[in-house]
Amino acid sequence: EAQVTQNPRYLITVTGKKLTVTCSQNMNHEYMSWYRQDPGLGLRQIYYSMNVEVTDKGDVPEGYKVSRKEKRNFPLILESPSPNQTSLYFCASSPGGRMNTEAFFGQGTRLTVV
Amino acid sequence: QQPVQSPQAVILREGEDAVINCSSSKALYSVHWYRQKHGEAPVFLMILLKGGEQKGHDKISASFNEKKQQSSLYLTASQLSYSGTYFCGTEMNSGTYKYIFGTGTRLKVLA
Repeated sequence: EAQVTQNPRYLITVTGKKLTVTCSQNMNHEYMSWYRQDPGLGLRQIYYSMNVEVTDKGDVPEGYKVSRKEKRNFPLILESPSPNQTSLYFCASSPGGRMNTEAFFGQGTRLTVV
Repeated sequence: QQPVQSPQAVILREGEDAVINCSSSKALYSVHWYRQKHGEAPVFLMILLKGGEQKGHDKISASFNEKKQQSSLYLTASQLSYSGTYFCGTEMNSGTYKYIFGTGTRLKVLA
């Protein structure tokens, strides 16, 4: 089944403790991206990747890192999480090197930083 | 910079029609439409790539006016399953491949 898989689905952590949210897709898509969703602010892009080893900042990259060593995986790293990073996170993928065709989203990761 | 959607919220009875608009202050080259149920991931509905193009999916269709920098989503004979938040989305067209979502429209269909 074609899908984008995020893990974990729920995570509660403490301020400053490094964490990684994984994202994997099995559709051989070039474009992958991360978003955070907050009440009243909608969905905002954190980082995106056009292909392996090619990443760039979205609208709200501060406090986040990403890597794209393999086509299928695009982990989101929070080196030192803070409470303002408490949010619902989504990973998405799209064929081609840009988000201009059908987009597929992961199930979401609800992160709470205390 | 974020595309503005209108209305912000709408309540319908089953069978009624609705129109959701997405307007951008910058040129649009493509527009995606998504529906998101509470707590779930956005689901892709359709993409419009050309100016004036209209596409349809079941009883949901959309138009894209490149000159006016806006797109509209049309929901006809709404069903209970149409309830959710609708987002438009587009590439930033700033020489990058950034992507941006619209402000969202909450739609509730009542029986």
